[in-house]
Amino acid sequence: KAGVTQTPRYLIKTRGQQVTLSCSPISGHRSVSWYQQTPGQGLQFLFEYFSETQRNKGNFPGRFSGRQFSNSRSEMNVSTLELGDSALYLCASSSQGAEETQYFGPGTRLLVL
Amino acid sequence: LAKTTQPISMDSYEGQEVNITCSHNNIATNDYITWYQQFPSQGPRFIIQGYKTKVTNEVASLFIPADRKSSTLSLPRVSLSDTAVYYCLVGATDSGGGADGLTFGKGTHLIIQP
Repeated sequence: KAGVTQTPRYLIKTRGQQVTLSCSPISGHRSVSWYQQTPGQGLQFLFEYFSETQRNKGNFPGRFSGRQFSNSRSEMNVSTLELGDSALYLCASSSQGAEETQYFGPGTRLLVL
Repeated sequence: LAKTTQPISMDSYEGQEVNITCSHNNIATNDYITWYQQFPSQGPRFIIQGYKTKVTNEVASLFIPADRKSSTLSLPRVSLSDTAVYYCLVGATDSGGGADGLTFGKGTHLIIQP
């Protein structure tokens, strides 16, 4: 069974731009969660989608948004990028919810200049 | 969400057994304890999960005392490739059936030397 995939793997943007990251969960998994990882803050929960609905949201500004499609694939969007948004963005999937064992993708490394 | 406390870093040598302890004093009755491993620039990888007593798989063992206020991840005969950050997590489920996501602390940076 293929693992969680994320595209792109690396991305360079400039301040003020917007970016869309994509995540394909493990086949059959309906829950997709997004995390941001930085050296200073560690791994922080962004939001979780289940059956195309956002079920939970972490403490991030409205510039961070996401959606999930009927095939469970998910996208995350960050608008008006700031330097502090430079991070590794991780997607994780599970069959029923974020409280279960999560299977993480390799992440997208975003650098904002 | 139950907060966890782990040592920031640990050193050991190849072939040794390594034990990493995590404190979670506010663990709730329905919480499970889960450990993840993360290598640089990769996503965390599930290692083991338990509720009470002892759980063992092909990679590690997890010891949980009766009061469940702490847990110990045991890695037998470590190798250089076990150098990674290890996170202890205590799951929480809100009343609506969803979850607040996994709360990762700072983790324990384990360094294995030859």
